Amino acid sequence: DAKTTQPPSMDCAEGRAANLPCNHSTISGNEYVYWYRQIHSQGPQYIIHGLKNNETNEMASLIITEDRKSSTLILPHATLRDTAVYYCIVRVATRDDKIIFGKGTRLHILP
Amino acid sequence: NAGVTQTPKFRILKIGQSMTLQCTQDMNHNYMYWYRQDPGMGLKLIYYSVGAGITDKGEVPNGYNVSRSTTEDFPLRLELAAPSQTSVYFCASSYSRGSYEQYFGPGTRLTVT
Repeated sequence: DAKTTQPPSMDCAEGRAANLPCNHSTISGNEYVYWYRQIHSQGPQYIIHGLKNNETNEMASLIITEDRKSSTLILPHATLRDTAVYYCIVRVATRDDKIIFGKGTRLHILP
Repeated sequence: NAGVTQTPKFRILKIGQSMTLQCTQDMNHNYMYWYRQDPGMGLKLIYYSVGAGITDKGEVPNGYNVSRSTTEDFPLRLELAAPSQTSVYFCASSYSRGSYEQYFGPGTRLTVT
């Protein structure tokens, strides 16, 4: 799986859009970009994933650059409940299909 | 749907004791996984299963065993607990591999003293 680089922490004011960047410069053509988050003491939660095109669901938007070397997760109206560690993961289907979680970005939503 | 459920939520074991962590999913997913997460670290895959009757080792299988007799259940057995197995254990499931998201349970916090 390709290596990803994320800032260790970010702050965002409640009600504003939170933009979380991720660099994955060694991504290969068949690797998807996934985002998960882990709220304190809970299991990781899937947010969104994409291959080439931008994606949007009820939780967030995913913007992938044209060269696919970086992406941004956007939480459009952050709330205090969005305080969590956010993991950017790139992966392709493998025999064991494990997810390799790095250190992620600790997002603090400020009231 | 309840999703992925795990029991117990917390457990303290003495060194050398054994226990089984239970995991059940009601989404009819083929794939199931067991991960452990040590404090401040990412998740490491212990065992996984691609369907009933089929299991395989992940990154850190030593000290653990699994079985998959039904689609719904994927218990993790700890034999001869050691302090190094103190961790939070997460069970997860997915419909298939590849471009499918994994759904995680709430975790079991295990302390071995």
